[in-house]
Amino acid sequence: GQNIDQPTEMTATEGAIVQINCTYQTSGFNGLFWYQQHAGEAPTFLSYNVLDGLEEKGRFSSFLSRSKGYSYLLLKELQMKDSASYLCAVMDSNYQLIWGAGTKLIIKP
Amino acid sequence: ETGVTQTPRHLVMGMTNKKSLKCEQHLGHNAMYWYKQSAKKPLELMFVYSLEERVENNSVPSRFSPECPNSSHLFLHLHTLQPEDSALYLCASRPGARNTGELFFGEGSRLTVL
Repeated sequence: GQNIDQPTEMTATEGAIVQINCTYQTSGFNGLFWYQQHAGEAPTFLSYNVLDGLEEKGRFSSFLSRSKGYSYLLLKELQMKDSASYLCAVMDSNYQLIWGAGTKLIIKP
Repeated sequence: ETGVTQTPRHLVMGMTNKKSLKCEQHLGHNAMYWYKQSAKKPLELMFVYSLEERVENNSVPSRFSPECPNSSHLFLHLHTLQPEDSALYLCASRPGARNTGELFFGEGSRLTVL
């Protein structure tokens, strides 16, 4: 079966760096997405990786290794507003999105 | 503001009620989706509409009935639901008719079935 694994919850300190990991086993691969979802709000798109390597976008970066079935989202200079759930999703060979259960990130002062 | 609006934001209904969820997108997108989000579970795809035609129905019970009258509007009609149907129902849209590109989500309708 197809599966996406990510930690259920993580805690980090304001101003620090945190890495949220995502591992996947899917039927084919057509890209990996990261979304951010604040409590009671819509998930919003953060990043898309289809080739191996690191994509940087301001304080957020996303890394992909297709051979290892692995991605991470790196958040730098953490701010209180970064407290949210982070959803990893992989598009399989049929262009279906397979979702992880999300990682709840708690930022402490 | 994502350009996808869902109403109502909260809904409480009994198991014998009939209600509807509404989704409207102002982005000119061609594809619209219904997802179910339960606590600590992955998003579950329910229905996909592309150019107003239903292209996917993921083994959803018949007590959920979608309707897409035009490319900007999507409804989810609810009838004789069960308590386990309590969840956040998310609507999303995508620019193209094919399953590529990012999804734009609404804020969801929080449904509680008593």
